[in-house]
Amino acid sequence: QQQVKQSPQSLIVQKGGIPIINCAYENTAFDYFPWYQQFPGKGPALLIAIRPDVSEKKEGRFTISFNKSAKQFSLHIMDSQPGDSATYFCAASVMRFGAGTRLTVKP
Amino acid sequence: DSGVTQTPKHLITATGQRVTLRCSPRSGDLSVYWYQQSLDQGLQFLIQYYNGEERAKGNILERFSAQQFPDLHSELNLSSLELGDSALYFCASSALAGGQETQYFGPGTRLLVL
Repeated sequence: QQQVKQSPQSLIVQKGGIPIINCAYENTAFDYFPWYQQFPGKGPALLIAIRPDVSEKKEGRFTISFNKSAKQFSLHIMDSQPGDSATYFCAASVMRFGAGTRLTVKP
Repeated sequence: DSGVTQTPKHLITATGQRVTLRCSPRSGDLSVYWYQQSLDQGLQFLIQYYNGEERAKGNILERFSAQQFPDLHSELNLSSLELGDSALYFCASSALAGGQETQYFGPGTRLLVL
C-alpha cells in the first residue's frame, strides 16, 4: 500500500555536495509532509516538514521544495557533511512513509 | 533522546509464540503510533491511539493487537509469530504545536523470530 514513492534508494555524494531526494504522493487529501532522518540503531527523528500551501521551506542546511500540482516534493541538503550520512524518509501525513534513501557523504 | 521509551530493546522468540512490546510516550503526549520497519518494506504504519481510544488503523495483521492504558503507555501484542514478523518495531508519540503535529520516535524494539 505504498502511496509515497521515494527515490533514489541510495545516494553517495562528496562532502559539500547537494544531495537531492525526491518523493511523489498520490492522495491529494494529504496536508502534511514531514522528512525524517534515521541513524543506524536509532528511531527516525523529524528533520523538517511542510504543508502544501507552501512551495519551499528552509531550516538550516535542509530545504524542502513542494510542487502541489505535480504531487511531488524533495529534500535538498546544502553543503552536506559526513555527519549527514543516514537514511532519510519522506512521508505524507504521519501514516504513509516512503521506502527511505540511504545517504552516504564521503569526506 | 526523544523522551519516548520502548521496552524491551531486543527480543528473540520462536515461531508460534506471543510477545508484548511496551511504549511510554513523552510526558503530556496523548497520541501513540506503532510502526513496523523491515528491510524489504520500509516503515509501515500499524495503528494509532489517542487518549486511550483507537484513532486510526494501518497495515496491522489480525494476529497483532494494541491498546493504550489510562496512564497513556501503550502495548503492542504480537501473537502466533511467524518468521516474517522479525523486524524493528517503533512507537512514536506526538504533540500539536503551532497547528502542526510533530512525532517523536522511540528507539525501537528489535524482534527476531526463530
